[in-house]
Amino acid sequence: DIQMTQSPSSLSASVGDRVTITCRASQNINSYLNWYQQMPGQAPNLLIYAASTLQSGVPSRFSGSGSGTDFTLTISSLQPEDFATYYCQQSHSSPRTFGQGTKVEIK
Amino acid sequence: QVQLVQSGAEVKKPGASVKVSCKASGYTFTSYYIHWVRQAPGQGLEWMGIINARGGSTDYAQRFQGRVTMTRDTSTSTVYMDLGSLRSEDTAVYYCARDPLGYSGNYFDYWGQGTLVTVSS
Repeated sequence: DIQMTQSPSSLSASVGDRVTITCRASQNINSYLNWYQQMPGQAPNLLIYAASTLQSGVPSRFSGSGSGTDFTLTISSLQPEDFATYYCQQSHSSPRTFGQGTKVEIK
Repeated sequence: QVQLVQSGAEVKKPGASVKVSCKASGYTFTSYYIHWVRQAPGQGLEWMGIINARGGSTDYAQRFQGRVTMTRDTSTSTVYMDLGSLRSEDTAVYYCARDPLGYSGNYFDYWGQGTLVTVSS
């Protein structure tokens, strides 16, 4: 199975901050990497697919980059509604695997 | 609008089985795939498997092989996930999620609201 490792596991940030979350795959997954946001008590929500394609309706302050084994999710200017947990997920091969999550908290 | 509506919470005893449903609406059911993903309390997301809503073919995560069965009913646009031999570690919220591709590069663009399954004696 492909292991997905996110860092950091949690972070504290202020409204307006630029936030970067990284995700590393245990083997080359090309650009088959998706990012999801999950609010407490809610289902995950797709933010970015294919490493850098913004899902329809997702604010442009979210962006993704990377290929191969190293990927990044960036929030250019953190908003109050962005405090949540973020997960990366590889779609290269079965089983589809997720990172352990990064919790973004208010400083 | 696209909706995936799941069945309600379940409480089961160890060794029992649970069947969770996921009713789709707002799109052509047979043109998409459905995945099941679970989340234990306070934990991350775990992929369980995929079903092709058109042909019914499935692919399960190896750790659930022999315990999970995913089926679909095209007449009601509903997908089912049956998990047997339940143990306490299966206590989790179970989500269905839609996938427009079904192959490498796929992604989950709509999710159900989740179904809490509690396994307790």
